[in-house]
Amino acid sequence: AQSVAQPEDQVNVAEGNPLTVKCTYSVSGNPYLFWYVQYPNRGLQFLLKYITGDNLVKGSYGFEAEFNKSQTSFHLKKPSALVSDSALYFCAVRDWTDKLIFGTGTRLQVFP
Amino acid sequence: GAGVSQSPSNKVTEKGKDVELRCDPISGHTALYWYRQSLGQGLEFLIYFQGNSAPDKSGLPSDRFSAERTGGSVSTLTIQRTQQEDSAVYLCASSREGRETQYFGPGTRLLVL
Repeated sequence: AQSVAQPEDQVNVAEGNPLTVKCTYSVSGNPYLFWYVQYPNRGLQFLLKYITGDNLVKGSYGFEAEFNKSQTSFHLKKPSALVSDSALYFCAVRDWTDKLIFGTGTRLQVFP
Repeated sequence: GAGVSQSPSNKVTEKGKDVELRCDPISGHTALYWYRQSLGQGLEFLIYFQGNSAPDKSGLPSDRFSAERTGGSVSTLTIQRTQQEDSAVYLCASSREGRETQYFGPGTRLLVL
């Protein structure tokens, strides 16, 4: 069965510092991986995806993610965090029936 | 362009009542999904419509839950005889086709008293 794990419930970072939100995956076959962000009382917003190709994927709002096959990871990164990046972040994998399997979410808190 | 829209944004109901939640997908998107977000269960898949194919209902938690999609566009999720454990945010998503990126609506927050 496909699954993703987000080992951190919360990540705290100072504004201007780099941030990393971790995600590891377990899939059979090629992984199709996604990151979504959720702001308070809002739906999920698509950030980026990995289907194939370059291991470094660039997405919206300056975010990027690095696909690492040997470590089965797909960590979300940003070189310089903004207070407005504070939100709930979800990693997801698309299974063979096209539905998304989500991680438990990581709350990112960026302090000024 | 317009994104996925859902109505109502909030719904408060009494235990035992039926509720209907509506989703308008992005125009031209053939695939439509319903998910549920709750404190105890996280984000979980409910049902998936793709074109004219039979829907994938494998995520529906009980036979009190049903959904339909009329004319390949608007979808309605119906919960009969609501229970307190049905309280959650119900999210709808659509994609151009089943393999494409899913775009989510703002959700309907359901509270069953």
